[in-house]
Amino acid sequence: KAGVTQTPRYLIKTRGQQVTLSCSPISGHRSVSWYQQTPGQGLQFLFEYFSETQRNKGNFPGRFSGRQFSNSRSEMNVSTLELGDSALYLCASSTRTGGPRAYEQYFGPGTRLTVT
Amino acid sequence: GENVEQHPSTLSVQEGDSAVIKCTYSDSASNYFPWYKQELGKGPQLIIDIRSNVGEKKDQRIAVTLNKTAKHFSLHITETQPEDSAVYFCAASREGGGADGLTFGKGTHQIIQP
Repeated sequence: KAGVTQTPRYLIKTRGQQVTLSCSPISGHRSVSWYQQTPGQGLQFLFEYFSETQRNKGNFPGRFSGRQFSNSRSEMNVSTLELGDSALYLCASSTRTGGPRAYEQYFGPGTRLTVT
Repeated sequence: GENVEQHPSTLSVQEGDSAVIKCTYSDSASNYFPWYKQELGKGPQLIIDIRSNVGEKKDQRIAVTLNKTAKHFSLHITETQPEDSAVYFCAASREGGGADGLTFGKGTHQIIQP
């Protein structure tokens, strides 16, 4: 089974621009969660989508948003980029449909975003 | 919200020896505790997890223990090998409705010395 894929793997943007990142979950997984990883703050939860609906949201400003499509693929958007948004953005998928392994989250390789 | 503390931040282990990484959590409602291994340039990889209805779980050289009363859980790696060098993260969450995502510890950089 193919793992979680994320595109692009690397991105350089300028302050004030916006960016869209994409995540394709493991086949059959209906939940996609997004995390931000930085050296200072570590791994922080952004939001989770399940059945095209945002189910949970972490403590991030409204500039961070996302959506999920009917095929479970998800996109994350960051508007008005700031220098502090430079980070590795990871998505993780899980089944969320019952059973003992429903909440196991499997991560993709991440998108490295650099804001200059 | 949940807060997870992880120690040590760096761990140097002689190849063949055992390693232990410890985490504490604050939210007594947390009931799912996974451990991840992250190698350079890769995303975190789930290596083992434990739920609050279990005190210990083992998978070959890796084991995890959970003390719900004290709100701490630990990762144990025996017979360490060079490929065990990586950054390890513990995490905690509530499974089921209302989950707030995984709350991670700050990570432990484990170095296996030959």
